[in-house]
This record gives sequence, structure tokens and C-alpha cells, in this order.
Amino acid sequence: AVQLVESGGGLVQPKESLKISCAASGFTFSNAAMYWVRQAPGKGLEWVARIRTKPNNYATYYADSVKGRFTISRDDSKSMVYLQMDNLKTEDTAMYYCTAAGSFDYWGQGVMVTVSS
Amino acid sequence: DVVMTQTPPSLSVAIGQSVSISCKSSQSLVYSDGKTYLHWLLQSPGRSPKRLIYQVSNLGSGVPDRFSGTGSQKDFTLKISRVEAEDLGVYYCAQTTHFPFTFGSGTKLEIK
Repeated sequence: AVQLVESGGGLVQPKESLKISCAASGFTFSNAAMYWVRQAPGKGLEWVARIRTKPNNYATYYADSVKGRFTISRDDSKSMVYLQMDNLKTEDTAMYYCTAAGSFDYWGQGVMVTVSS
Repeated sequence: DVVMTQTPPSLSVAIGQSVSISCKSSQSLVYSDGKTYLHWLLQSPGRSPKRLIYQVSNLGSGVPDRFSGTGSQKDFTLKISRVEAEDLGVYYCAQTTHFPFTFGSGTKLEIK
């Protein structure tokens, strides 16, 4: 069965950094585009970042709200995807979901990131 | 950015009834390859989202055929026939045709 398991969330102060991870299994990870999507408390879904596959040069894309502060990366040898979040703002507080493949085929359980002083 | 407008924002239906949710986009969602990357997701209470339908009308694996999707260009509909208790939650449409990818604001389905 497909599994996506996020980890690394927590409470940080504004302007600090945090790196969250997602471990994938049950599908051919190296063939799948990977995404991060977030959901602020009580709000809807917001796409954050995307990373493509090796044949597509691991191209990355970001929402304007995080461009220049967040970096998505992947390690196909470990079936892992990461989101490095720098210069965090209070408005980045959200549940962060790892999702796989072109049409949000699979979702993890999410990891909570809270940015507060 | 492509704005996805979902209506209604909420609805309450009895078990066994049918319901439709509308999703309209501010731009055509037809990609240069001729495909339309409009998808439907369900977020059940306290759970992560689950994809129901991809590319307008294709049912995801394990999704009951009570769910169906139709539409084209900028106008899309999700229909649930014979609603069951497990269908409650928030339904989102999402587009992956244009960057940035965007979601509708959601339709909350409650069971009477």
C-alpha cells in the first residue's frame, strides 16, 4: 500500500528555519512528481511547492508566498522528499501535507508547523 | 493566478439523496497536451484529503461509482448519487494545468 509519512514539524519563532521530511513507500518514487500542500487552521488548501523527476531535471516550482524562503528537494535513493523552510513567518503556520504524483494521487497524514513568538 | 470558485459553500442532504457541486475556473483548464487537469478531493473530518476524481471524470482507485465528474474548459461539476454517511466532509476542486496550482475554497457536505 502507498504510504507517505511526514515528520519534523514543531513550534518555531518567526525568522527561524525548519526542515520537514516525507518518507514514501508503496510506489515507484523516482517516477513521481512530489508536492507540498498546506492548510492553515480552519482554512482551505494551498499548494506550496512541486519537484519533478530526474528526467525532468528535478525542476522545482513554488507558490509566490514562499518563493525565496522555501526549498523543496528529494532523495530518490531514500524515497524521501523535503521542505526546507527559512525566514518563517506567522502566516506559515499550517498543517503541511506531502502529496504524490500528478493529480494529488496520494496524501500523507500531515505535519503541523507553528510559527509563533 | 487561476481562481477556482466553488458553489455552494455548504449543503445538507439526506442519506440516499443526490447532490451536485459546481467548480468554475477563471481560465480554461485545457493544457497544451489537450488534457484538462481538474481534480476533485474529499477531506473527511480530522483526516487528510483524498483524491476522488482526476482529469475531470476519471474515478480514483477504490472510489465508489456513486461519484462522477463532468465538465470542460472552465465549468465543472461533481455529482454524488445516493449519498452515504461516509461522504460527509469538505470537497475541493483543484487545478494543475496552470502554475501556481490552485484549489477551490471548498464545499462542506453535511448529512441531515
